[in-house]
Amino acid sequence: GAVVSQHPSWVICKSGTSVKIECRSLDFQATTMFWYRQFPKQSLMLMATSNEGSKATYEQGVEKDKFLINHASLTLSTLTVTSAHPEDSSFYICSARESRLMNEKLFFGSGTQLSVL
Amino acid sequence: DAKTTQPTSMDCAEGRAANLPCNHSTISGNEYVYWYRQIHSQGPQYIIHGLKNNETNEMASLIITEDRKSSTLILPHATLRDTAVYYCIVRVASSGNTPLVFGKGTRLSVIA
Repeated sequence: GAVVSQHPSWVICKSGTSVKIECRSLDFQATTMFWYRQFPKQSLMLMATSNEGSKATYEQGVEKDKFLINHASLTLSTLTVTSAHPEDSSFYICSARESRLMNEKLFFGSGTQLSVL
Repeated sequence: DAKTTQPTSMDCAEGRAANLPCNHSTISGNEYVYWYRQIHSQGPQYIIHGLKNNETNEMASLIITEDRKSSTLILPHATLRDTAVYYCIVRVASSGNTPLVFGKGTRLSVIA
């Protein structure tokens, strides 16, 4: 099946610093990617929809100035957590759909565990 | 997208079939049933999906009732590595920019 590569797998940072997470579709083009956040023992919560060449669409309650999303190419979307604080510590997961398919499946990255000290 | 209801948790003996139920009584005619699973600290993994016919692949079988109001995911011979949270999601295929919306899922524990 299609592969979505997410990097890094885990990151530890100091409070106030920024962290960039990359999501790549390795063998298909993805005009749309999705970013999720997951807190311990909870389900995945959609943060935003990333569209190639246009601004991301954020879910209610997600600060667009804090979680910067860039989708500059058909195979790469990045999520930057700016001025991270301990409450931003979470498991971040990206997902992509292959542009060509009609009855599409969504493929997920392996996730990034962010720990803010 | 229609809402789904799943049991919070289930246990299954290793080597036995695991049958995971899902209710989706408000499903629309153009909505598919998707199953994903998430092993601890990993991203969700696609398992199977279907519209109204039963489906089978190398991972599992999907049985959808005739009225499409419920379905069952069957793992024919569960192994310890099948321990995960299983999510049943209904979604319109070809729905463009619509993401998957995850409920709480069923936590399956496969026991040796």
